[in-house]
Amino acid sequence: AQTVTQSQPEMSVQEAETVTLSCTYDTSESDYYLFWYKQPPSRQMILVIRQEAYKQQNATENRFSVNFQKAAKSFSLKISDSQLGDAAMYFCAYRSTFSGTYKYIFGTGTRLKVLA
Amino acid sequence: DGGITQSPKYLFRKEGQNVTLSCEQNLNHDAMYWYRQDPGQGLRLIYYSQIVNDFQKGDIAEGYSVSREKKESFPLTVTSAQKNPTAFYLCASSIKASTGEQFFGPGTRLTVL
Repeated sequence: AQTVTQSQPEMSVQEAETVTLSCTYDTSESDYYLFWYKQPPSRQMILVIRQEAYKQQNATENRFSVNFQKAAKSFSLKISDSQLGDAAMYFCAYRSTFSGTYKYIFGTGTRLKVLA
Repeated sequence: DGGITQSPKYLFRKEGQNVTLSCEQNLNHDAMYWYRQDPGQGLRLIYYSQIVNDFQKGDIAEGYSVSREKKESFPLTVTSAQKNPTAFYLCASSIKASTGEQFFGPGTRLTVL
């Protein structure tokens, strides 16, 4: 069975600095999707970025980018120029592409604090 | 505006009562999902539905039931058989179960008194 591990329960970053959140996963599949979701205090889950496993190029969305290392099964999120609004829980998620197993598997989350 | 709505935002239930959480989407998505979120844990899948009149159990389906009679609606019933129902419940949808990312509703906080 697939698993997703976020080993950093909490991280802090100074405003305008860069922070990297770690995520590792375990799977025997070769094709899958990976996601980072943000959950601010409102508790609304917001998609930050997605990565298809067959793509070698790392996904980027404005100040958010990933470092996808398929062989190492690592999927870290880098937030550049951190802003106060980035403070939230961040969840890493894995999704299989095999028929009948479309469910997402979420990590336990990393709480990011942004210091002014 | 297209999106997912959940109601109510807060729900209180007495022990032994069944309660139903509402989830509606106007995104024309085929697939819908229910998750439970507890402190210090990630989201855990309760049930999901790939298409109308079809649904499958997730990892923690015991004590819960769902229906999918309409494409836009996927209500979740928390029955008295659920041992520890106090949690935050999130509904999500995706274009199809096989493609696309999931979009989430604002959630319902259920408290058992």
